[in-house]
Amino acid sequence: DAGVIQSPRHEVTEMGQEVTLRCKPISGHNSLFWYRQTMMRGLELLIYFNNNVPIDDSGMPEDRFSAKMPNASFSTLKIQPSEPRDSAVYFCASSRAPGQGTYEQYFGPGTRLTVT
Amino acid sequence: GENVEQHPSTLSVQEGDSAVIKCTYSDSASNYFPWYKQELGKRPQLIIDIRSNVGEKKDQRIAVTLNKTAKHFSLHITETQPEDSAVYFCAASQLGAGTALIFGKGTTLSVSS
Repeated sequence: DAGVIQSPRHEVTEMGQEVTLRCKPISGHNSLFWYRQTMMRGLELLIYFNNNVPIDDSGMPEDRFSAKMPNASFSTLKIQPSEPRDSAVYFCASSRAPGQGTYEQYFGPGTRLTVT
Repeated sequence: GENVEQHPSTLSVQEGDSAVIKCTYSDSASNYFPWYKQELGKRPQLIIDIRSNVGEKKDQRIAVTLNKTAKHFSLHITETQPEDSAVYFCAASQLGAGTALIFGKGTTLSVSS
């Protein structure tokens, strides 16, 4: 298994531009999570999905952020318009549904976003 | 919602010493407590986890203890090695319909030889 796949790995964009981050979870995993990591705030949960349905988006910082999961193998996190304070590493993670063995969340390699 | 506090934020030890990282959580309904290790420039990876029906769990040089009454849990690393140097995150969650981890702010462990 290739693990959780994220693209792009690095993104540099100018303030005001739209940014789309992509994630492919591990096949067979039912839950998908988006996290943001910064030095100041650590690892923050932004939103998570169970069986493609958004469960909790209370961590999404503003209306500029949106996330979708159109099917079990793909999710996007969009920032429009982007701002310099959005600069961070964005991780996607996936896990099996509870009751199906390990509860481990497997993280992708992350997308390092820089907004200038 | 759940809030997880982690201490210390940085920890420096000599090779061979033990290291202890402590976390407290606020939601008494939380029943799953994993620890993740993140090496520089890499993704977080699970190293050990514990459920609330267990007070202690060991895996070679690492162990985790849980005190449900006090709502705190700790990571213990014995005989530290330079390759243990990394950022360690504790987390808490409720197992159920969805398992969203709430992470502590992390502890940067440096092991010098």
